[in-house]
Amino acid sequence: GAGVSQSPSNKVTEKGKDVELRCDPISGHTALYWYRQRLGQGLEFLIYFQGNSAPDKSGLPSDRFSAERTGESVSTLTIQRTQQEDSAVYLCASRTTGSQETQYFGPGTRLLVL
Amino acid sequence: SQQGEEDPQALSIQEGENATMNCSYKTSINNLQWYRQNSGRGLVHLILIRSNEREKHSGRLRVTLDTSKKSSSLLITASRAADTASYFCATVYGNNRLAFGKGNQVVVIP
Repeated sequence: GAGVSQSPSNKVTEKGKDVELRCDPISGHTALYWYRQRLGQGLEFLIYFQGNSAPDKSGLPSDRFSAERTGESVSTLTIQRTQQEDSAVYLCASRTTGSQETQYFGPGTRLLVL
Repeated sequence: SQQGEEDPQALSIQEGENATMNCSYKTSINNLQWYRQNSGRGLVHLILIRSNEREKHSGRLRVTLDTSKKSSSLLITASRAADTASYFCATVYGNNRLAFGKGNQVVVIP
């Protein structure tokens, strides 16, 4: 079956521009997560969606970062006024309901801010 | 905050050898998971071990968990060139958030 997909695969932007990153989770997965991975580092949690609500936004690094989810499906992560330190791979993951369930990751979007 | 932390090592081994990597964490966990990442992109789930389990096998993978020491190990037996990747442990807490360590880079030389 289809896995988690993300678009674009790569994004190069200029400092100060806004970017939108898209995640299509596995159909039926109610939980959706966004993570950021800087070069050579582990993943940092950004935000968690349960359905269309985001009960945990604690990982968003600044108010330039926002995310939404609609139809309990697609999610968009928006970074406004991008900075060079925003350069990273942004990974999306989804899972079914259940406390022990595995998260399934998309291939990520590699963002480079010049 | 709770976080899996691998021993900061890069392993370079010959094909056929075993690779072992370790992970420690700081607080109580429900379960611990190991993931593999190829070429810095999407992560692939390898194995999950619950807090009441001590050892688990999956194919050539063997995971141990010592909750008293708050540590886990991942053993890959009979390594193959295709096992070359970064390996991350992750602990689960609150809202099933995953807290990842920095990862171990494993290079298997054919």
